Amino acid sequence: QVQLQESGPGLVKPSQTLSLTCTVSGGSISSGSYYWSWIRQPAGKGLEWIGRIYTSGSTNYNPSLKSRVTISVDTSKNQFSLKLSSVTAADTAVYYCARDASYYDSSGYYGGVDYWGQGTLVTVSS
Amino acid sequence: QSVLTQPPSASGTPGQRVTISCSGSSSNIGSNTVNWYQQLPGTAPKLLIYSNNQRPSGVPDRFSGSKSGTSASLAISGLQSEDEADYYCAAWDDSLNGEVFGGGTKLTVL
Repeated sequence: QVQLQESGPGLVKPSQTLSLTCTVSGGSISSGSYYWSWIRQPAGKGLEWIGRIYTSGSTNYNPSLKSRVTISVDTSKNQFSLKLSSVTAADTAVYYCARDASYYDSSGYYGGVDYWGQGTLVTVSS
Repeated sequence: QSVLTQPPSASGTPGQRVTISCSGSSSNIGSNTVNWYQQLPGTAPKLLIYSNNQRPSGVPDRFSGSKSGTSASLAISGLQSEDEADYYCAAWDDSLNGEVFGGGTKLTVL
């Protein structure tokens, strides 16, 4: 059973960089054809996709966040990470890491996010 | 405002059948499959339906999904009190080159 656990500071000052790590257990992050994703949810609001990294290292980012986001993977530690720069109060949210089992064929994308971490609250405040 | 449009709320009584709609465009639902997530209060979302109409192992067959053109629907039959949750649709968007979510529908079991 795959499990994901987010870790990182719960409080970040405005204009600084938010850094979170997701540790994957129950399977190797580099095995299989999966994307490893970050998704966030402000309090009382809906889900917002931040981006994902494939096992090959290729990435996709939300266009609205792309200039500030970096997702990387460390296969030796079975972890992947999120960095979001120049944060403001609008970046305050619960951040989830997740495994995306999507695949693409000539008919489009199939599959979905099948494993989620429990989420970690990050507050941006001075 | 979300790229995919869902009604903010829905309700039903125990045993009833409820449907939740999700409207998109040619670049997302029209080109790719739709997934549905259930988020119980205070918990992480859970994959409920993937690839339009497939249920992951362990999801009761009371839950079903469908897609037609640029819209999709989630149906819940035999509504139970434990179905009270937020439901989100999602799909890949070819124009944005990213995943997009609906704004979520809060289901209340009366």
